Amino acid sequence: GQNIDQPTEMTATEGAIVQINCTYQTSGFNGLFWYQQHAGEAPTFLSYNVLDGLEEKGRFSSFLSRSKGYSYLLLKELQMKDSASYLCAENSGGYQKVTFGTGTKLQVIP
Amino acid sequence: GAGVSQTPSNKVTEKGKYVELRCDPISGHTALYWYRQSLGQGPEFLIYFQGTGAADDSGLPNDRFFAVRPEGSVSTLKIQRTERGDSAVYLCASSSGGPGDYEQYFGPGTRLTVT
Repeated sequence: GQNIDQPTEMTATEGAIVQINCTYQTSGFNGLFWYQQHAGEAPTFLSYNVLDGLEEKGRFSSFLSRSKGYSYLLLKELQMKDSASYLCAENSGGYQKVTFGTGTKLQVIP
Repeated sequence: GAGVSQTPSNKVTEKGKYVELRCDPISGHTALYWYRQSLGQGPEFLIYFQGTGAADDSGLPNDRFFAVRPEGSVSTLKIQRTERGDSAVYLCASSSGGPGDYEQYFGPGTRLTVT
């Protein structure tokens, strides 16, 4: 994930809102994924943004700005179970190749 | 329906040995991916299959690594002359391969430990 930059760790309080930022630099960019990964488990899909703007899905929203090479994941009404790593990943090239960032480890505290 | 499955879940091998890791994708998914994930890192792309052919193997670290998908379903990742640096979780993912359908479904992974 050398072209993808996201914070390594974040801490937030239960019930609060947290925003996890991601920047990317690539040619042939198609879209931006967010995946959630709990410790010791496989990543699970959260969102895929192709167009600029905000997409909302329940407590989770994802934003993309193609011109700025920037995305964020917004988590509302945080729950303890939201403690996990959040992986930003770009889809680029002529097919479905996905390049992952190193992930942001989110800890939700009471 | 059944998700992506991987076997074995754990594999411990000695340095220099040969290992095979198996992935069963979701039925009907034409696209299959192999990734390697080290502790504290994101998944690192290894190889991508579309049907039976390897469409992109640029992520394979060296010629000790090889993967096949002879019938366009099950895939096997093969590692020769294993080294301690190969220790990681090997993840397999599949997707439908259809236009506009980009979600990848991941298996539980195989944790490989080379001693």
